[in-house]
Amino acid sequence: TQLLEQSPQFLSIQEGENLTVYCNSSSVFSSLQWYRQEPGEGPVLLVTVVTGGEVKKLKRLTFQFGDARKDSSLHITAAQPGDTGLYLCAPGFSGTYKYIFGTGTRLKVLA
Amino acid sequence: EAEVAQSPRYKITEKSQAVAFWCDPISGHATLYWYRQILGQGPELLVQFQDESVVDDSQLPKDRFSAERLKGVDSTLKIQPAELGDSAMYLCASTPGPSTGYTFGSGTRLTVV
Repeated sequence: TQLLEQSPQFLSIQEGENLTVYCNSSSVFSSLQWYRQEPGEGPVLLVTVVTGGEVKKLKRLTFQFGDARKDSSLHITAAQPGDTGLYLCAPGFSGTYKYIFGTGTRLKVLA
Repeated sequence: EAEVAQSPRYKITEKSQAVAFWCDPISGHATLYWYRQILGQGPELLVQFQDESVVDDSQLPKDRFSAERLKGVDSTLKIQPAELGDSAMYLCASTPGPSTGYTFGSGTRLTVV
């Protein structure tokens, strides 16, 4: 059983569509990070959410941390081919569950 | 912008051979991590260094894998002998402190044939 389950596992959409991916756990985290990994490259940090209920926006990307700090979501508005990649969530560095990553969501945006 | 350097980018080796990967973290980053990532999955921690000391190597298959960071700067990960199941992306990451996100290198894609 994975500590961090991400859904969906795969997602293929047309350019301009909206989408939401999820990161879920039964454990409570002090913070959560989201990364995007392009093919053949290492993951790149997008955002860290810290407070339960927190919403952060990064251009067309909206990140939300669940009130109970057990889950998070990433919403992309008007997806573009450049959004294609593997989206990973990971707990912050404090607490018990360090240095692990979620199962990942592989997104493909078609032009 | 500072980067984590890794080499080689790609490596093909025959099973039972030895292989080594190198990582140079961002200058001043005391913490260095080696991760292994199987295609389509999230990275899994192999070893964590704080300066030159190993902090966590509980997931490192020590019968065939070894890692060192002798001067607390760059690091080497070695596999001997390589097995077919070792084919994966090997990622190095560094952090300046406990509350910031990782900066990853571009990784080494290992194929064992």
